[in-house]
Amino acid sequence: NAGVTQTPKFQVLKTGQSMTLQCAQDMNHNSMYWYRQDPGMGLRLIYYSASEGTTDKGEVPNGYNVSRLNKREFSLRLESAAPSQTSVYFCASSEALGTSNYGYTFGSGTRLTVV
Amino acid sequence: KNQVEQSPQSLIILEGKNCTLQCNYTVSPFSNLRWYKQDTGRGPVSLTIMTFSENTKSNGRYTATLDADTKQSSLHITASQLSDSASYICVVSAKSTGRRALTFGSGTRLQVQP
Repeated sequence: NAGVTQTPKFQVLKTGQSMTLQCAQDMNHNSMYWYRQDPGMGLRLIYYSASEGTTDKGEVPNGYNVSRLNKREFSLRLESAAPSQTSVYFCASSEALGTSNYGYTFGSGTRLTVV
Repeated sequence: KNQVEQSPQSLIILEGKNCTLQCNYTVSPFSNLRWYKQDTGRGPVSLTIMTFSENTKSNGRYTATLDADTKQSSLHITASQLSDSASYICVVSAKSTGRRALTFGSGTRLQVQP
């Protein structure tokens, strides 16, 4: 049982390049999330998808776009990477959105460096 | 603004010793509080969850406490092991739907030395 799988694990981009981070979950969860984790800060929500077919902005959405391809997959795209987007990105999923009595399952992260 | 503050930022202890990590929050209205363990290079993994009515919750050598009146929680680790070396993150959920449901602390980095 893989849980939440993220690819790639590491990536180096030049400023202005674009890329897509992939995320897939096999737990039949309805809700999926993208977070970024920076040194000395808590995880910050970039975008989330409450259910298949819906997406919405989180705290720090600027510079990113997302696609909920199907119930399993939720991708994060950087159209024109900037050094400020150097971070570790985590995808997570949960049974449902809301009061979060449901557990969140996190992927192992993508370490992105923009030079 | 909902906030979660954790202390200390980092901690070094010897194997076999106990330690306590602190979490203060200002999330309202409160729904539940979770402690996560994040190993280096991995995603966070849930250790415990506590709702408003729960004061203590244990998971093996990990014991979490919650004081909803003072809005404080602690995570006590007993008889530490080298494998306890990780970051411990306090996450507080508000009774709301959508993206504002979770507020993450910045974590306490624990290093257990032999």
